[in-house]
Amino acid sequence: GENVEQHPSTLSVQEGDSAVIKCTYSDSASNYFPWYKQELGKRPQLIIDIRSNVGEKKDQRIAVTLNKTAKHFSLHITETQPEDSAVYFCAASFSGSARQLTFGSGTQLTVLP
Amino acid sequence: DAGVTQSPTHLIKTRGQQVTLRCSPKSGHDTVSWYQQALGQGPQFIFQYYEEEERQRGNFPDRFSGHQFPNYSSELNVNALLLGDSALYLCASSFGANYGYTFGSGTRLTVV
Repeated sequence: GENVEQHPSTLSVQEGDSAVIKCTYSDSASNYFPWYKQELGKRPQLIIDIRSNVGEKKDQRIAVTLNKTAKHFSLHITETQPEDSAVYFCAASFSGSARQLTFGSGTQLTVLP
Repeated sequence: DAGVTQSPTHLIKTRGQQVTLRCSPKSGHDTVSWYQQALGQGPQFIFQYYEEEERQRGNFPDRFSGHQFPNYSSELNVNALLLGDSALYLCASSFGANYGYTFGSGTRLTVV
């Protein structure tokens, strides 16, 4: 089955700096890669996603890049703000966005004011 | 517009007991998936229900079972609870299998 590895497990940045979180996946058939943000005690919320026919997607301060050959994808957050502090999860799925998602182990991002 | 609602929010059970968790999907959604999230880990897929049938199943034992009702709501049942079943159980709904999930806030299950 699919295996998703996520790094780093913790990340601290100064407010205004950029943050990058990286994930690798094992199943070359995976074609949908969402990123979720989970604040303490709250539900995971989809912040951005990318499909395998696209190499990069951007939404304001958040961007995701995908390298299918290397089987890795990354989340980039620019101009970080304290409210960006949360746990971020990457995930991978085959054949559709609401199929079985395999999640990474999460990255605790702390934005220091 | 109500999102995904789960009940109860917290639950404490004794090892060996049985538990039922409930989920009402977001309005307009017809597919419900269940995930188990252990402390400090990413969610793990348990199973997905569509048209009142289990469509996909993750690597969980038969002690985990579910049901989907005609109104698309769903239940997750866990029998013979083990200490290791302690986790946050998340329900996620979607429209079919090709659109993104909306997660509920989860049920925190503690097995003592």
